[in-house]
Amino acid sequence: DSGVTQTPKHLITATGQRVTLRCSPRSGDLSVYWYQQSLDQGLQFLIHYYNGEERAKGNILERFSAQQFPDLHSELNLSSLELGDSALYFCASSPNTGGLVIGELFFGEGSRLTVL
Amino acid sequence: EDKVVQSPLSLVVHEGDTVTLNCSYEVTNFRSLLWYKQEKKAPTFLFMLTSSGIEKKSGRLSSILDKKELSSILNITATQTGDSAIYLCAVTEYGNKLVFGAGTILRVKS
Repeated sequence: DSGVTQTPKHLITATGQRVTLRCSPRSGDLSVYWYQQSLDQGLQFLIHYYNGEERAKGNILERFSAQQFPDLHSELNLSSLELGDSALYFCASSPNTGGLVIGELFFGEGSRLTVL
Repeated sequence: EDKVVQSPLSLVVHEGDTVTLNCSYEVTNFRSLLWYKQEKKAPTFLFMLTSSGIEKKSGRLSSILDKKELSSILNITATQTGDSAIYLCAVTEYGNKLVFGAGTILRVKS
């Protein structure tokens, strides 16, 4: 158990809908990262938050947004869902101080999204 | 665009064999290279290599960073069926971006 909690574990929804994925980082970790893993693309970096502020953005679609709240939990919002958004969405946390070398990331179990 | 390439994409070996997995990278402002093992769901951390720590070893696993060739290898000796997994290489740079390769799928047959 990494200490990172993601909910829900699985969700199935229809195209055009909107979903919210939730992540609670390890106690004390200030950084939260979101990754998308699909069969043909591997782990794709979406976005990184540090202590409530966005720090880095990857290949995140405009239909997707995220935030990190004062209690450090984070939410990833996916809207106008398409079939191609079906994937495993991972959240990871780390205690790094935002500007230094990233060390080990602790991954949650992931949220598997299926868009029908 | 930053790139992390792993090879081979997949391999099948017998228990007891030694395997070498490769990772090459092209990133600006390299800071560190990390290896992860992904079995069923969440990737779990294996090693981190930096300019000041280019070789790591833990049991049957070892890894070396070649800063000149911009690459790293992960060696697994005396493989066991429990080593079957996807092995992911990731590279970090300034700006808190951790870029993953596509992974190498390792299957160890008994």
